Amino acid sequence: GEDVEQSLFLSVREGDSSVINCTYTDSSSTYLYWYKQEPGAGLQLLTYIFSNMDMKQDQRLTVLLNKKDKHLSLRIADTQTGDSAIYFCAEGRSDDMRFGAGTRLTVKP
Amino acid sequence: DGGITQSPKYLFRKEGQNVTLSCEQNLNHDAMYWYRQDPGQGLRLIYYSQIVNDFQKGDIAEGYSVSREKKESFPLTVTSAQKNPTAFYLCASSAGAPYTEAFFGQGTRLTVV
Repeated sequence: GEDVEQSLFLSVREGDSSVINCTYTDSSSTYLYWYKQEPGAGLQLLTYIFSNMDMKQDQRLTVLLNKKDKHLSLRIADTQTGDSAIYFCAEGRSDDMRFGAGTRLTVKP
Repeated sequence: DGGITQSPKYLFRKEGQNVTLSCEQNLNHDAMYWYRQDPGQGLRLIYYSQIVNDFQKGDIAEGYSVSREKKESFPLTVTSAQKNPTAFYLCASSAGAPYTEAFFGQGTRLTVV
């Protein structure tokens, strides 16, 4: 299909790991991104991965990429209440960027 | 500080009016984009511009217009032809294609009253 797909909601307890999953559409996408949006604000780039990589780690964030299945995941270790936000997966194409609908992460104390 | 600025943060429009949303960047980026965000949906591309004096329609351009007379500025006009304009509008810029990291403004929430 044409859409980047994500589940809409995820709830975890503080201190647990969060895993947000995404499937994208264009196998020729060069970059894949994770953005974070807090209420009433713009999107903030969290991390990105080149399409020729399988994994990227950046402090508490781990991105896994399965090109064969066009599947991308974001793992947040030791999730904190400040991580509560909407997380968008996006694929970078030659002319534009396509976003998923966003996963709302709720972190319970 | 380099960045991308949208104004105003909140905007109210009466039915039948045109309104213009401002987007300015001082990042020296060639490419600029306008997205619309509705609850429970991803960002949908309205218009984009890869270079000054040139722009292309995105997926939902009907009822919108843009201009790119200066590299720093990419204003979006929501015309009266847009039947459901109430939404959160996000402007972004990037260094250029192939699509590199996009920097977003803080958004403008437009409400029709």
